Amino acid sequence: EVQLVELGGGLVKPGGSLRLSCAGSGFIFSNAWMSWVRQAPGKGLEWVGRIKSKTAGGTTDYAAPVRGRFTISRDDSKNTVSLQMNSLKTEDTAVYYCTTGGGWDGFDIWGQGTMVTVSS
Amino acid sequence: QTVVTQEPTLSVTPGGTVTLTCGLTSGSVSPNYYPGWYQQTPGQAARPLIYRTNIRSSGVPDRFSGSILGNKAALTITGAQADDEADYYCVLYMGSDNNCVFGGGAKLTVL
Repeated sequence: EVQLVELGGGLVKPGGSLRLSCAGSGFIFSNAWMSWVRQAPGKGLEWVGRIKSKTAGGTTDYAAPVRGRFTISRDDSKNTVSLQMNSLKTEDTAVYYCTTGGGWDGFDIWGQGTMVTVSS
Repeated sequence: QTVVTQEPTLSVTPGGTVTLTCGLTSGSVSPNYYPGWYQQTPGQAARPLIYRTNIRSSGVPDRFSGSILGNKAALTITGAQADDEADYYCVLYMGSDNNCVFGGGAKLTVL
């Protein structure tokens, strides 16, 4: 079965850090570009960032609101992708989805999402 | 900053046809933006419908179709069904800075 499972959400204070992880199975993880997409409560989808496959250079790109604070990394030996979130703000409160893709072919496989709440 | 625009709300009658559009506040949407479409129901992750303007994702029925209409990307639903009632999001790939930008979403009601 093709799936993505996110872990690591929770409650964190403004200015704090949190690390999300996402494990993939049922597909060739090392070939996949991986993205994070978030959705604030009652709001729309927002692309957070992407890491390309190693064969495509393994480079990362980020949306402007998170650039310089968030970092995406991948471990193809464990079929995982991570999102390190630093200097968190209340406006980062959202459900964070791990997805495959984030390039020309859109976002194919989605995880179930994990909630991140930034509040004092 | 470029904003991707969608109609906030639309409605369709069962069996009817509805077209959702995806535009830019500055410029025209072309296949070079690789438009994609996603369906989301409450409490669920988004489901991919269309990528690269008009390619249906796996398992998507052919009553969902994508195209470019004028200066916008479009998602047309023909023979609308009750379970098509959902939020629909388009996304564009901004090749100039390698970013993806979602539209604000369109809430479709099947009356």
